[in-house]
Amino acid sequence: EAGVAQSPRYKIIEKRQSVAFWCNPISGHATLYWYQQILGQGPKLLIQFQNNGVVDDSQLPKDRFSAERLKGVDSTLKIQPAKLEDSAVYLCASSSGAGGFGNQPQHFGDGTRLSIL
Amino acid sequence: SQQGEEDPQALSIQEGENATMNCSYKTSINNLQWYRQNSGRGLVHLILIRSNEREKHSGRLRVTLDTSKKSSSLLITASRAADTASYFCVTVGAGNNRKLIWGLGTSLAVNP
Repeated sequence: EAGVAQSPRYKIIEKRQSVAFWCNPISGHATLYWYQQILGQGPKLLIQFQNNGVVDDSQLPKDRFSAERLKGVDSTLKIQPAKLEDSAVYLCASSSGAGGFGNQPQHFGDGTRLSIL
Repeated sequence: SQQGEEDPQALSIQEGENATMNCSYKTSINNLQWYRQNSGRGLVHLILIRSNEREKHSGRLRVTLDTSKKSSSLLITASRAADTASYFCVTVGAGNNRKLIWGLGTSLAVNP
């Protein structure tokens, strides 16, 4: 079974520029998560999708961050414009959703390391 | 938002010793999960324990859950240098909300 794929692995941009991350979850997984992890801290949930609907985006800075999950499969996370404090690793995870979302383990990609200059 | 709390924040032991990490939380849960993160990598799921379970085992890992105290512990027996990593707990809220709350993690160093 192929794992969660994320790209790019690394990205360096200047503040006020825009950036986009892509995630391809495990085939058949209904639930998809985007996390932000700042160095030395735990993951912070940005947005959670169930199929192509948003379940929780309470911690997503909506003035600059956006995410979509077209057709309930791939997902993109965008930052526009970027700020220095957005420097972090952005992790994507998926789970099967069996028994209701949150009821199954999450499978993580290796993340995208974003540096803002 | 609320955060689960793990303790200790950092733990250093010798190979062969046991390591115990604790996680406390504040709300009613559907389940609690433990994950491991090696430096520079994504997280790997270790064990999921449901609110009606008290103990689960997986290889050298043992997880307990005490819902009356709102706490869980992760025990790694006979630790190895390869167990060096950060360990996180995450709770999934009860009811339809199923809100995820992640802890801040325990950094474990196993010295050869």
